[in-house]
Amino acid sequence: GAVVSQHPSWVICKSGTSVKIECRSLDFQATTMFWYRQFPKQSLMLMATSNEGSKATYEQGVEKDKFLINHASLTLSTLTVTSAHPEDSSFYICSARQGATYNSPLHFGNGTRLTVT
Amino acid sequence: AQSVAQPEDQVNVAEGNPLTVKCTYSVSGNPYLFWYVQYPNRGLQFLLKYITGDNLVKGSYGFEAEFNKSQTSFHLKKPSALVSDSALYFCAVSPPASGGSYIPTFGRGTSLIVHP
Repeated sequence: GAVVSQHPSWVICKSGTSVKIECRSLDFQATTMFWYRQFPKQSLMLMATSNEGSKATYEQGVEKDKFLINHASLTLSTLTVTSAHPEDSSFYICSARQGATYNSPLHFGNGTRLTVT
Repeated sequence: AQSVAQPEDQVNVAEGNPLTVKCTYSVSGNPYLFWYVQYPNRGLQFLLKYITGDNLVKGSYGFEAEFNKSQTSFHLKKPSALVSDSALYFCAVSPPASGGSYIPTFGRGTSLIVHP
């Protein structure tokens, strides 16, 4: 089956530093990846849609200069949280769609727990 | 615009009893509907989907869901719940649009708790 690998699974960083999260599709090519943020016991909040070879599309209210997304290849998208602050602490999840049709399910990474101290 | 409603934040059921997790949707045209499950500190896992055809779809771990067009619902069911089914369940919908990158809409999630 389709596997999405997300790394790291957890990270603790100091306020003001930057953190990079990687999302890889291991056995399929993903032209589109999605980045979500999830607060405790709450639903997924879509942050941005990442398209291979082009700029990411950010949802309203998401700071694109703070959450840098790069989708350099068909199997890798990265999210960099720049100048992190404690309020950026959250669970970040990436997903990728296998197949070119809209009836294809999304495949999710296992998430990254970010804690900013 | 499409939307998904999961009216229950939490569903409690005893092990061995049948379970239902509710989902209703709103979308133009015929929808593509999905159920996902999330275990603690993990990403979401695909359970099943409805595209077309038989209204009752079967998925992983013994789950099934029934598509009801007149009620715009896609409830998740399982005949006999297991304690290991305790998790967060998400319903999602996307329209059968063409061209560009679609963005599925997720419900807010329902926490299923199965008691021994």
